[in-house]
Amino acid sequence: AQRVTQPEKLLSVFKGAPVELKCNYSYSGSPELFWYVQYSRQRLQLLLRHISRESIKGFTADLNKGETSFHLKKPFAQEEDSAMYYCALSGFQKLVFGTGTRLLVSP
Amino acid sequence: GAGVSQTPSNKVTEKGKYVELRCDPISGHTALYWYRQSLGQGPEFLIYFQGTGAADDSGLPNDRFFAVRPEGSVSTLKIQRTERGDSAVYLCASSLSFGTGYEQFFGPGTRLTVL
Repeated sequence: AQRVTQPEKLLSVFKGAPVELKCNYSYSGSPELFWYVQYSRQRLQLLLRHISRESIKGFTADLNKGETSFHLKKPFAQEEDSAMYYCALSGFQKLVFGTGTRLLVSP
Repeated sequence: GAGVSQTPSNKVTEKGKYVELRCDPISGHTALYWYRQSLGQGPEFLIYFQGTGAADDSGLPNDRFFAVRPEGSVSTLKIQRTERGDSAVYLCASSLSFGTGYEQFFGPGTRLTVL
């Protein structure tokens, strides 16, 4: 079965602190993993995907197949990073989402 | 250019009524997806179209739910005999083509409330 687990509903940090949003997945094949973000009053949008291996807005995520994890990291959080973050897995063309983590960055 | 649009933005209906939710994908996008997002949950896949045909409708919860895309562009999600449990935000997404390599662009959603 395909499943994405985001254990934290809320992550609250101060500006400038490091951030790690956890994501674990269950998938029998070779998955494609994504992070989506939803800022306040905006639509859901793609933040990054593991195959790109790129850094977007200072965020990075590494696929660890041994631990079946795809944690999202940023060394220095900014207030504008406050949003809802969803980890997603692509299997057979459709996306399977986790329940999301709300990141709150305080000044 | 214009992104994915969905109408209405909000829909309030009574239990047992029929509703239609509309999605206008990005022009030229051949793949179209419907998701449902309940409170406190992530989006949950319902159905996707490649062109006019439903390529995978395995996420539709029961036969009260049906979706069409007759001309390969606009899609309508139809819900018969609505129940209170159908209350959720219904999201539509489109991508240039079929396959995981193509980014899905999401619409703003339709918030459905069944009283």
